[in-house]
Amino acid sequence: DSGVTQTPKHLITATGQRVTLRCSPRSGDLSVYWYQQSLDQGLQFLIQYYNGEERAKGNILERFSAQQFPDLHSELNLSSLELGDSALYFCASSVDSFMNTEAFFGQGTRLTVV
Amino acid sequence: SQQGEEDPQALSIQEGENATMNCSYKTSINNLQWYRQNSGRGLVHLILIRSNEREKHSGRLRVTLDTSKKSSSLLITASRAADTASYFCATPISSGSARQLTFGSGTQLTVLP
Repeated sequence: DSGVTQTPKHLITATGQRVTLRCSPRSGDLSVYWYQQSLDQGLQFLIQYYNGEERAKGNILERFSAQQFPDLHSELNLSSLELGDSALYFCASSVDSFMNTEAFFGQGTRLTVV
Repeated sequence: SQQGEEDPQALSIQEGENATMNCSYKTSINNLQWYRQNSGRGLVHLILIRSNEREKHSGRLRVTLDTSKKSSSLLITASRAADTASYFCATPISSGSARQLTFGSGTQLTVLP
């Protein structure tokens, strides 16, 4: 158990809908990262938060947004969903924001858009 | 774009044999990390090697790092069926006011009983 909790584990939704994925980081970790994993794109970094502040953006679509709350949990919002958004979405956490130590990954949310 | 690329993409060996996976990266790094992913599950950190280290061991794992060649290798000795998984190298890349891990495409290791 990595200590990172993601909910829900599975999500099936229709095109055009909006979903929210939730992540609780490991106790003591201030950084939260979101990644998308698909068969054709591999593991892609989406966005990073550190202690409530956005620190970096990767290949995140404008239809996607995220935030980190004062209790350090984070949510990833995906809207106007398309079939191509079907993927595994991972949250990871680390102590600092510079990856000087390892990251701990949650079990992921498998999103299926139909 | 991918920072790290693993080689081979797939590897199939018999239980008890050693498995070697290679990773090449493009930019300067302060550390390189290896992760394992069982099918459809989350990634599990295996080992972190810093740029001033050349070799590191953890149980049956041995990682080497050659910063002059921008490459790393992961050796799993005396492999077991439970080692069957995808293995990824990852390097911290600067973006914004922080660094994030950038992953390679992974090596799919199959250990046959």
